[in-house]
Amino acid sequence: SQQGEEDPQALSIQEGENATMNCSYKTSINNLQWYRQNSGRGLVHLILIRSNEREKHSGRLRVTLDTSKKSSSLLITASRAADTASYFCATDSRGSNYKLTFGKGTLLTVNP
Amino acid sequence: DADVTQTPRNRITKTGKRIMLECSQTKGHDRMYWYRQDPGLGLRLIYYSFDVKDINKGEISDGYSVSRQAQAKFSLSLESAIPNQTALYFCATSDSVRDSQETQYFGPGTRLLVL
Repeated sequence: SQQGEEDPQALSIQEGENATMNCSYKTSINNLQWYRQNSGRGLVHLILIRSNEREKHSGRLRVTLDTSKKSSSLLITASRAADTASYFCATDSRGSNYKLTFGKGTLLTVNP
Repeated sequence: DADVTQTPRNRITKTGKRIMLECSQTKGHDRMYWYRQDPGLGLRLIYYSFDVKDINKGEISDGYSVSRQAQAKFSLSLESAIPNQTALYFCATSDSVRDSQETQYFGPGTRLLVL
C-alpha cells in the first residue's frame, strides 16, 4: 500500500523558476525523506526531515513537514535543466522497523 | 552510486524461466532491500534483510525468493518468471549502526523483460 502520495504527478516549469512538490501520508511517521530519480536510474537521497522538525534546508532545497496535516513539501529554488527528474517522498512509519514506503513520485521537467 | 552494484543491468527472459538478479555493496551496510518499480506505481518492497541471518517479506513477495549470501551480497530470484514481473528492479542498502535514520542507497537498477 502507498503511504506517501505526491502531488502533482507532473510539473513543467522554466529554468530559474521555483518548483514545489507535495507529499501526503496516512500514518504517524518517524521521519520523511525525499529522493530523486533521473530517468531509469537509481534513486538518490536528497534530504530527511524528522517528525519533530518543521523545516529543513539543503542548498536550493527546502523541505517542510506538517505532522498535523500529515503532509510535506519540497521546494527547489532557482531550478535548472539538470533538476529534471522524478522526485519521491518516502516515509518511515512508526512501528515499521525503519522500512521505507515510497510514494508514486512527481515528474519535474525544467525547460531551458 | 558505484558502492551498490547490480547484475545484470538488463535481462530478457521467457515465461517459466528461473532467473537471479544479484546485488553487491561495498558500503559495509547491514541492511539490504529489493524493490520493483512499475510505471505510475512508484517503488514497492519485495524483500528485505537486516543482517545475514534475517530475511523478511515485503509488500509483494509472492513469486520471488531471496538469498543473503554474505553481508555484502543479496540476490533476488524469480522462480518461474511471468510477464507481469516485467519491471525495473532496485537493490538498496542502509546502515542501522551509524545512520539510525535509515537513509537508503540505491543501485543502478536491473531492467527485466519477461516474454
